[in-house]
Amino acid sequence: QSALTQPPSVSGSPGQSVTISCTGTSSDVGIYNRVSWYQQTPGTVPKLIIYEVSNRPSGVPDRFSGSKSGNTASLTISGLQAEDEADYYCTLYTSSSTLVFGGGTKLTVL
Amino acid sequence: QVQLQESGPGLVKPSETLSLTCTVSGASVSSGSYYWSWIRQPPGKGLEWIGYIYYTGSTNYNPSLKSRLTMSVDTSKNQFSLNLSSVTGADTAVYYCATMQCSSISCYLGRWGQGTLVTVSS
Repeated sequence: QSALTQPPSVSGSPGQSVTISCTGTSSDVGIYNRVSWYQQTPGTVPKLIIYEVSNRPSGVPDRFSGSKSGNTASLTISGLQAEDEADYYCTLYTSSSTLVFGGGTKLTVL
Repeated sequence: QVQLQESGPGLVKPSETLSLTCTVSGASVSSGSYYWSWIRQPPGKGLEWIGYIYYTGSTNYNPSLKSRLTMSVDTSKNQFSLNLSSVTGADTAVYYCATMQCSSISCYLGRWGQGTLVTVSS
């Protein structure tokens, strides 16, 4: 199974932008646009916020954006709001047709 | 829209089999539109993908769980199920069922159930 590395925590003040990284390898993240991102606010069910690296499902604010550079995918949240405080997980759909989650990143809004 | 609801025992004894069912509404499990998936989350920890089943019965499991795992689909009841054998305390988690949808590029988890906590303890 591939491994995805996320920072355990990030923080930012309201109105600022924060970026959460998700690092894989040149054999997975680096080649394919198969990364998705999920938001899990405290006590709730995870919610898809980005798929195929940079696509937003309908209803997800455009403050959330995804990108990729080399072996690292990134989730950027601009205009940070208190309600964005949550755990964020990246996921890779692998060449073996399995899913792998990153370890998760806790976003604190200061 | 698709809704999913997990059901099953909240307490399982060590070495026994954990069995959960996910009831689907708003879509047919035999439609072929989704891969029916399971994910778990130990208390205070991150998400772990367990596996998925297609309506044809084709499965794909997390290699770390594969030897203990069986999934099935019941089209007559519009449900799919998970059996995890020889459980230990490490299997204590909130178990979620979810839809996995695929494009030509990738697959990702769309709709999630509310999750059910399963505790492994004697």
